[in-house]
Amino acid sequence: GAVVSQHPSRVICKSGTSVKIECRSLDFQATTMFWYRQFPKKSLMLMATSNEGSKATYEQGVEKDKFLINHASLTLSTLTVTSAHPEDSSFYICSASMMGTLNTEAFFGQGTRLTVV
Amino acid sequence: AQTVTQSQPEMSVQEAETVTLSCTYDTSENNYYLFWYKQPPSRQMILVIRQEAYKQQNATENRFSVNFQKAAKSFSLKISDSQLGDTAMYFCAFMKHVRGGGADGLTFGKGTHLIIQP
Repeated sequence: GAVVSQHPSRVICKSGTSVKIECRSLDFQATTMFWYRQFPKKSLMLMATSNEGSKATYEQGVEKDKFLINHASLTLSTLTVTSAHPEDSSFYICSASMMGTLNTEAFFGQGTRLTVV
Repeated sequence: AQTVTQSQPEMSVQEAETVTLSCTYDTSENNYYLFWYKQPPSRQMILVIRQEAYKQQNATENRFSVNFQKAAKSFSLKISDSQLGDTAMYFCAFMKHVRGGGADGLTFGKGTHLIIQP
């Protein structure tokens, strides 16, 4: 149980285009999902917290107009990188918090490698 | 704001040896959780072990154990009888307690690349 699926696993897009990454909790409901960014051989940096039915909370320094987050249901959150540039190339990982439990574990997706050319 | 520091960028040990990865953190929170995550080459984050700050007893999970020193804000991971499959990046992470339960965003250290030599 507690599986989080992220799609796509890899994507290449052209500069100036937008790309959407999906994060789904397959067997549980997630009130809250989190989006992280990981540069090569670096740590994970929290970008934003996505709450179902409300606006996402962005970390300092993260452009909310560039990284659009939508959490329309209890099992799906999406991250859209708008007007992508090569510097947006990175590994993006989502995680989900299990709703209605005291479980403090965050369940991670398998990540999406974005390359902007 | 919280900070997590891992001072060992890379470590290498022989198979079957015991290895300890260090982690220190800084926070003004009183209720929080600490985690060690493993990230193999597949990049999938795998929870290794978790510690609640209010518990004095150190967490253990089979070959993995922690040495949690709350006053010193230290949280080291010991891997006993290391195996080739333990080769991975290991991240120490901090999470604030969430009122009502559930998970919050994690603050990660920079990671330690652990290599188990045959």
